[in-house]
Amino acid sequence: GAVVSQHPSWVICKSGTSVKIECRSLDFQATTMFWYRQFPKQSLMLMATSNEGSKATYEQGVEKDKFLINHASLTLSTLTVTSAHPEDSSFYICSAQDSSYEQYFGPGTRLTVT
Amino acid sequence: QKEVEQNSGPLSVPEGAIASLNCTYSDRGSQSFFWYRQYSGKSPELIMFIYSNGDKEDGRFTAQLNKASQYVSLLIRDSQPSDSATYLCAVNKGGADGLTFGKGTHLIIQP
Repeated sequence: GAVVSQHPSWVICKSGTSVKIECRSLDFQATTMFWYRQFPKQSLMLMATSNEGSKATYEQGVEKDKFLINHASLTLSTLTVTSAHPEDSSFYICSAQDSSYEQYFGPGTRLTVT
Repeated sequence: QKEVEQNSGPLSVPEGAIASLNCTYSDRGSQSFFWYRQYSGKSPELIMFIYSNGDKEDGRFTAQLNKASQYVSLLIRDSQPSDSATYLCAVNKGGADGLTFGKGTHLIIQP
């Protein structure tokens, strides 16, 4: 089956620093990747849609200058949380979509900002 | 605004019984409907998807879709303790469209 990896699986950073999260499709090419965020006891919320070679499309209320997304190849998308603050602490999950439009989720990255 | 509603539970079901999970959605343009299972601290894993009105069965799981009522359900037969998890309902418009998730129903299967 299709496998999606994320790195790191967890990260702790200090307030004001930036953190980069990688999402890779290991055995298929993903034209589209999605980034979700999940706060404790809440559901997954779509943050942005990332298409290879083009700018990401952000959902309403998500700051594009704070959450930088780069989808440089068909197997890699990155999310950079810039100038992180404690309220950005969350579980960040990516999904990669194959040619049949099925989405495969990565294992998630738990970000804690101190 | 796109919304997906689920009863948060917890829903407690005895082992071996049928667990019934329900979901309603607001966007009539939704075309694809998904059920995911999520264990605490993990990312969601796909159980089933359904596109057409009616029932779709896969092993112990049956998904039911009624587009007129904007209602999706998941039945789990012969419930096992390992089925204890949060079940997320998600919808999208098909194609390269992100998923809108409900808040999930916490299911507990009692041995």
